[in-house]
Amino acid sequence: EIVLTQSPTTMAASPGEKVTLTCRASSSVSYMHWYQQRSGASPKLWIYETSKLASGVPNRFSGSGSGTSYSLTINSMETEDAATYYCQQGSSYPTFGAGTKLELK
Amino acid sequence: QVTLKESGPGMLQPSKTLSLTCSFSGFSLSTSGMVVSWIRQPSGKSLEWLAAIDWDGDKYYNPSLKSRLTVSKDTSNTQVFLKITSVDTADTATYYCARHNYGWYFDFWGPGTMVTVSS
Repeated sequence: EIVLTQSPTTMAASPGEKVTLTCRASSSVSYMHWYQQRSGASPKLWIYETSKLASGVPNRFSGSGSGTSYSLTINSMETEDAATYYCQQGSSYPTFGAGTKLELK
Repeated sequence: QVTLKESGPGMLQPSKTLSLTCSFSGFSLSTSGMVVSWIRQPSGKSLEWLAAIDWDGDKYYNPSLKSRLTVSKDTSNTQVFLKITSVDTADTATYYCARHNYGWYFDFWGPGTMVTVSS
């Protein structure tokens, strides 16, 4: 099983602030995918294949990384970005990280 | 428009078999490369992939749960089913079905169905 470790577990950011969430894999993976989940809602695909934005995702979001280290960056935090973000790999059977809860400061 | 919707019993007793249905529209599971997965999420916790079935009927299982899971689909390729045997309280969760391809990222999700295992 490939274990994904996300950091931080929780964080708060002010509007306009740059935010970086990280995801480390216990073994090298080909790609990382990211999901946004708001309270009471289903997860939404947010970034796929490491750096491709899903449909409708604002371009202030970006993804990068390779091997065992990946990140999701918000160039300028907005109110609507407050949510929990999960990373997921599909190189082995799919596994998810524990999530990063991003709050508005 | 792709939509998926899960249905289940809501509540069941320990040791019983949980049966879930995923009904979908806007795509066909007979299309080459199409896959539907089951994923669950206990309240306040992260996501756990359970099982998948692809357009050709090939089945994929989470190794840690494989002995208890059976995934199947109907002949019209508009529904996918999941059975989990010998449930206990640890199986209490919201269960989602999601569509994907062999890139193994989940692009459309259902709203989820909450299942509580309790005596």
